[in-house]
Amino acid sequence: NAGVTQTPKFRILKIGQSMTLQCAQDMNHNYMYWYRQDPGMGLKLIYYSVGAGITDKGEVPNGYNVSRSTTEDFPLRLELAAPSQTSVYFCASSYGGGPYEQYFGPGTRLTVT
Amino acid sequence: AQRVTQPEKLLSVFKGAPVELKCNYSYSGSPELFWYVQYSRQRLQLLLRHISRESIKGFTADLNKGETSFHLKKPFAQEEDSAMYYCALSGGYGGSQGNLIFGKGTKLSVKP
Repeated sequence: NAGVTQTPKFRILKIGQSMTLQCAQDMNHNYMYWYRQDPGMGLKLIYYSVGAGITDKGEVPNGYNVSRSTTEDFPLRLELAAPSQTSVYFCASSYGGGPYEQYFGPGTRLTVT
Repeated sequence: AQRVTQPEKLLSVFKGAPVELKCNYSYSGSPELFWYVQYSRQRLQLLLRHISRESIKGFTADLNKGETSFHLKKPFAQEEDSAMYYCALSGGYGGSQGNLIFGKGTKLSVKP
């Protein structure tokens, strides 16, 4: 099993550009998450999904959109990129919420200049 | 407000010395507590969770509800323990309460 995969690994965007960060998991997990991690900070939840067709906002959703059309995929869309979105983005999945272990992808390092 | 505090950004110890990574939390209900670890060039992964009451790689953590703490301990540190450690909290199973809240992390450096 590949677990949780993310593409791309690195990306540089210009202010105002848009892009989609891809995330896929092959563990048949219902729950998927997007986090961002700024330097010296903990992970902050952007959006999460409890199943195909169901998404909800996390702590820092502004400037992002998500969709969940399949169990496997959970892409994160950045519209009109801003320097404040420079961060490392992590996707994760879990069988359920709460005490269930979250499995993380390798991360995408995004720089907006 | 729900919050996880890891007071030390960096903790440096010598091999064989005891290590304690501190974690304090603020939560009004009964939280689930976790320690996640990220070794160099590896993914963030679960180290242990209080609900399992297990010891992983020699690490243990005890939930102290009175002091609202979940400190991670190991009696004899090894060089391979060098990593970034994150304490995290979940409020339960359902909805947004089940989501994880992370501390800022502590970098553990074990010197030879």
